[in-house]
Amino acid sequence: QKEVEQDPGPLSVPEGAIVSLNCTYSNSAFQYFMWYRQYSRKGPELLMYTYSSGNKEDGRFTAQVDKSSKYISLFIRDSQPSDSATYLCAMTNNAGNMLTFGGGTRLMVKP
Amino acid sequence: EAGVTQSPTHLIKTRGQQATLRCSPISGHTSVYWYQQALGLGLQFLLWYDEGEERNRGNFPPRFSGRQFPNDSSELNVNALELEDSALYLCASAGGTFNEKLFFGSGTQLSVL
Repeated sequence: QKEVEQDPGPLSVPEGAIVSLNCTYSNSAFQYFMWYRQYSRKGPELLMYTYSSGNKEDGRFTAQVDKSSKYISLFIRDSQPSDSATYLCAMTNNAGNMLTFGGGTRLMVKP
Repeated sequence: EAGVTQSPTHLIKTRGQQATLRCSPISGHTSVYWYQQALGLGLQFLLWYDEGEERNRGNFPPRFSGRQFPNDSSELNVNALELEDSALYLCASAGGTFNEKLFFGSGTQLSVL
């Protein structure tokens, strides 16, 4: 079993839909949680960062962390075709340490 | 502010050859990470350098090695290339209060024929 599990998709939604992306993990020591967006043939781009449990909102993006369930989510409101990309969750137990990534979910937003 | 830059963008090698990949971190970032992204396997941690020292290493054979220079730039070397080394190699530098945020370059696509 992988340390971080993420449904690979693809997830196809119409423009304007609310998108929910999720990861589960097994290591209870993880404290820092991140979401990255990766366009084809590009490096991952940091979207959201949260420490420990709770919610964080940034524009159309909301990240949620539920440490009791070992479950994190990324919500995208009013999805746009430009949101079409692969979304990777990542986490670490120690600031400055290496990240453990999920395998990524491919999202397609259709106009 | 310039982001993380990697060179070359593409690299084509044959089995048994050596490959050298280069990375320049964001100015002021002293930590550099290397990741391999092979098709269908996700991002796998390779190496972490900070202030010229190797701090951590992923589960890769010794023919994957690297170094960090005094100006914080880094080099990844892969010796005795194998077909399964074909992948996107990503470099990242760390920022944030506790170096918890990674900023990635666009990667070097290595193809081994």
